[in-house]
Order: sequence, then C-alpha cells, then structure tokens
Amino acid sequence: DGGITQSPKYLFRKEGQNVTLSCEQNLNHDAMYWYRQDPGQGLRLIYYSQIVNDFQKGDIAEGYSVSREKKESFPLTVTSAQKNPTAFYLCASSINWGGSTEAFFGQGTRLTVV
Amino acid sequence: AQRVTQPEKLLSVFKGAPVELKCNYSYSGSPELFWYVQYSRQRLQLLLRHISRESIKGFTADLNKGETSFHLKKPFAQEEDSAMYYCALWGGSQGNLIFGKGTKLSVKP
Repeated sequence: DGGITQSPKYLFRKEGQNVTLSCEQNLNHDAMYWYRQDPGQGLRLIYYSQIVNDFQKGDIAEGYSVSREKKESFPLTVTSAQKNPTAFYLCASSINWGGSTEAFFGQGTRLTVV
Repeated sequence: AQRVTQPEKLLSVFKGAPVELKCNYSYSGSPELFWYVQYSRQRLQLLLRHISRESIKGFTADLNKGETSFHLKKPFAQEEDSAMYYCALWGGSQGNLIFGKGTKLSVKP
C-alpha cells in the first residue's frame, strides 16, 4: 500500500518530555513537510525538507526539530520547549518542491500533553 | 506577505443548492492556487488546482487576479460534498504551500 504513513495515531506525553512523531513515505518523493492543525487555525507549516539531508524552518518551528537522513523518512520531535504542543500533526510529501506539485498527506498524529 | 483568507468558517446549504466557498489571497507574483478537501475520517487530499483548469466532482474554481480570489463553486451541492475545504497558495521560490483556515461545508438533505 503506497503512500504516507504517520505513527502513532494517538500520542500522549507528559509535560517536560520530548516526543518523536514518525513519518514515512514510499512514494519516492523528494519533498516532505510537517504541518500543525489546530481548530480554527487551519494548517501551519512547522518544517519542510526539499531534499534528503536538507530541511528548513517553517512559520512555527520554535520548540520543534526534524531530521532528514533518509529520503523516505522525516521524523518530527516535539521538545519540551514547545509551549502548547497539544495538537493534530500532519505530514505531507510531494514529488519535488515546486509550485503545481500535489502534496500527499498522512492520516495525522494527535498529540496530547497530560 | 503571502496570505490565504477563507472568510467563512462554516457554510451550510441544502442538497441541490449552489455552493460557493470563498478564497482570497495575497501574493505579489503569479500565484499557484489549490483547493484541498478533507472528508470525515479521511486524509487531506487535493481537489483541484487552478493551473489545470479542471472540474473535479462538479467543482470548479477560477482564478481572478483582479480580485485576488479563487472561489470554489458547484452548481448543485450533494450530501457527499460535506467536508472541510482548504484553499492553498504556493508561495514561490521564497515560500511554501500556505493554507487558509478552512471552511466546513455542510450539505443538508
């Protein structure tokens, strides 16, 4: 089954802990993205990667970190520095980083801080 | 600044009625615009893009550069059209894929 897989679907974290969200794609896409989705806020870009071994900050990168060591993987770490981490996180990929390229999305991970 | 505005959080219509979901953008160059849709319990997916000038599931969207708008239209709404709709803008070489806050469309029987 091709596409983007995010895991886990639900994640609970204690305050002060770091947590890593997984995103894997088998579409052979160069570009990958992380968005945060909050009610009434739409999708806000956290980080993006145009190609393996490269990534750039998006609009709300503070308190987050990423890596892109493999083309198919783009994990997102939510650090304890993120003040309001409870949210729905979406990973996406596109064949390349460019205008008319369609973005394919994962099913999302809902993170709750307890 | 690049920005996408969807003024309506919720749009409720009856089956068979026309639908127009509004989208306005702010961008200094030639924009590339998209509509994405998220049906209940499904992942976000591309509905259509302006460059293709296509009609998908009866929906169309025309880019109006004078009004900086990219409204999504359908002449006769169906119950299965109920979903969350996001307008998105590609921000060019210095930008990225920017989304509006979304409009929830509810089509009543």
